[in-house]
Amino acid sequence: TQLLEQSPQFLSIQEGENLTVYCNSSSVFSSLQWYRQEPGEGPVLLVTVVTGGEVKKLKRLTFQFGDARKDSSLHITAAQPGDTGLYLCAVIIQGAQKLVFGQGTRLTINP
Amino acid sequence: DAGVIQSPRHEVTEMGQEVTLRCKPISGHDYLFWYRQTMMRGLELLIYFNNNVPIDDSGMPEDRFSAKMPNASFSTLKIQPSEPRDSAVYFCASSFGLAGAYEQYFGPGTRLTVT
Repeated sequence: TQLLEQSPQFLSIQEGENLTVYCNSSSVFSSLQWYRQEPGEGPVLLVTVVTGGEVKKLKRLTFQFGDARKDSSLHITAAQPGDTGLYLCAVIIQGAQKLVFGQGTRLTINP
Repeated sequence: DAGVIQSPRHEVTEMGQEVTLRCKPISGHDYLFWYRQTMMRGLELLIYFNNNVPIDDSGMPEDRFSAKMPNASFSTLKIQPSEPRDSAVYFCASSFGLAGAYEQYFGPGTRLTVT
């Protein structure tokens, strides 16, 4: 059983469309992170959310932490081909300096 | 500044051979993490070091895997003997300080293929 469930696993849309991907768990977390991984590269941290209900924006990307701190969403407005990649959510395991990752959403934006 | 450096970027080897993956963390970082990524299991933590000391190796799959950090600027992950199921992309990441796990910087990875 995965600690973090990401959905959808795969998403392919046209340039200019909007999309939302999700990261869900039955556990409560003190914080949650989103990473983007491009082909042939390591993951790169996009954002950390720490407060229930928190919303953070990074250009066309909007991240929200659920009120109960069990889930999160990533919304992309007017998707661009450069947004293509694997989007991973991750949480810190309490009491340890360990990140646990979800399986990721593989996003493809078609020109 | 240079990021995390990993070598080789690609490694193809035959089953039973020894494989050594190398990592140079970002200068000044005191945490170093080794991860493995596969389609089936996603990105998994294998082991991490703090100030060159292994802290948690619970993710190391079995005795065939070993990791060392002889100094602050170099770490190795060794697989001996290698098996086809070890085929994966192996990432090294480094970070600084107690909150370091929150700000890990990943290298480009080593793609290992064991035939």
